[in-house]
Amino acid sequence: SQQGEEDPQALSIQEGENATMNCSYKTSINNLQWYRQNSGRGLVHLILIRSNEREKHSGRLRVTLDTSKKSSSLLITASRAADTASYFCGAGNMLTFGGGTRLMVKP
Amino acid sequence: GAGVSQTPSNKVTEKGKYVELRCDPISGHTALYWYRQSLGQGPEFLIYFQGTGAADDSGLPNDRFFAVRPEGSVSTLKIQRTERGDSAVYLCASSLIPGNEQFFGPGTRLTVL
Repeated sequence: SQQGEEDPQALSIQEGENATMNCSYKTSINNLQWYRQNSGRGLVHLILIRSNEREKHSGRLRVTLDTSKKSSSLLITASRAADTASYFCGAGNMLTFGGGTRLMVKP
Repeated sequence: GAGVSQTPSNKVTEKGKYVELRCDPISGHTALYWYRQSLGQGPEFLIYFQGTGAADDSGLPNDRFFAVRPEGSVSTLKIQRTERGDSAVYLCASSLIPGNEQFFGPGTRLTVL
C-alpha cells in the first residue's frame, strides 16, 4: 500500500499565485522528501524535512511537517509557468509515493 | 557527470525475454534504490542496497525480478521472462547514506511487447 498520498490530484493557477499541495502518510517516518517531475522521467529533489523539523524553506518553496497528523504541505510562492509539473512526496527511507499533484501554472 | 545515470534510456523487448537495466549512482553514495513508475502513478519502491547487500527487497513483485550491486557502486536490475505488465519506467536513486536526500536518475523506459 502506498504511504504518501498527495492532495489535490490536480491544481490549476495563474502565474504569480501561490500553490499549496498536501501529503498524508500512514506510519511513523524519519523524514519526508518532496520531488518535482516533468515529462514522466526522473524526479528532481526539492526538499527533505526530518521528523524533528516543523518547517523548512528553500527559495520560493516552503515545506511543513506535522507528525501528529502524519501530514506535510508544500507551498510554492509566486508561481511561474516553469513550475508546471507533477509534485510528489516520498515518505520514509524507502520512499513510498502517492499519485502526485499535477500543477499547471498558466502564464 | 555528477548525477545518477541509467542505461539504456529505452528498452523494447518481447514477452518472455530477459532484460538487464543498469544504474550508476553518484560517486560515494552508499545507498542505492530501485523504483518503477507506471503511467499516471507515483514511483513504487522495489529494492534498496546499502553497500553491496540488499537491505530491503520487499518491493520486488515476484521472483522474476532480481538486482545486484556486487562492488557497492553500479547496480543491475534483472527481469526474467518479461511480461507486458512489466512495462514501466524503472528509476534508480542514490543517497550518501540511508535517510539522506535521494537523487534520481532519468529512468529506463521498458516496453514489453
